[in-house]
Amino acid sequence: QSVLTQPPSASGTPGQRVTISCSGSTSSIGSDSVNWYQHLPGTAPRLLFYGNNQRPSRVPDRFSVSKSGTSASLAISGLQSEDEADYYCATWDDGRWVLGGGTKLTVL
Amino acid sequence: EVQLVESGGGLVQPGGSLRLSCAASGFTFSVHWMHWVRQAPGKGLVWVSRISSDGSDTIYADSVKGRFTISRDNAKNTLFLQMHSLRGEDTAVYYCARQDYVDVDYWGQGTLVTVSS
Repeated sequence: QSVLTQPPSASGTPGQRVTISCSGSTSSIGSDSVNWYQHLPGTAPRLLFYGNNQRPSRVPDRFSVSKSGTSASLAISGLQSEDEADYYCATWDDGRWVLGGGTKLTVL
Repeated sequence: EVQLVESGGGLVQPGGSLRLSCAASGFTFSVHWMHWVRQAPGKGLVWVSRISSDGSDTIYADSVKGRFTISRDNAKNTLFLQMHSLRGEDTAVYYCARQDYVDVDYWGQGTLVTVSS
């Protein structure tokens, strides 16, 4: 069982806005920044956000993140078919790097 | 361009050993901490191990502690994961990843390890 809790699945239709939550603890999300990754099967996971809310330039601004206390969330607006993938949150916990269980996003 | 290319995966019997490699290019390998992360079939990404830039500091997930050893050769820009006493639950795609300051940013495409008789 992961230290960080994510819903196993999420879905939306093209153009919609979807959010993916990530719940942790005071020693994980409550103490450190949260990164988010996008993963398509058979490919290298891709960094979406780092340092809580820093987005690499190649990541569309349709993606956004927020954090409050021991929880964080990823939001995708204007959903596109290419956004269908697995999404993971990650942070540090007692010197170990920890990832959420992942959320499979389906674009209907 | 940052590139991480894993190799060394394959089929191994339970109780066997395997050594994974990760060849790094496109950046100064010797200044970055590095990680191994794995994904079992149908499961999520799980962190395995981390090594400091000079190799002096390592840490492991409880599930592999005492069986796996992470190491690196900065002269050859290569990261390693030596795996012993392999079990069925170690079956996974293994990814190496780079840490930049406190953020894990670039990942390789992975190498598949299958533990089965």
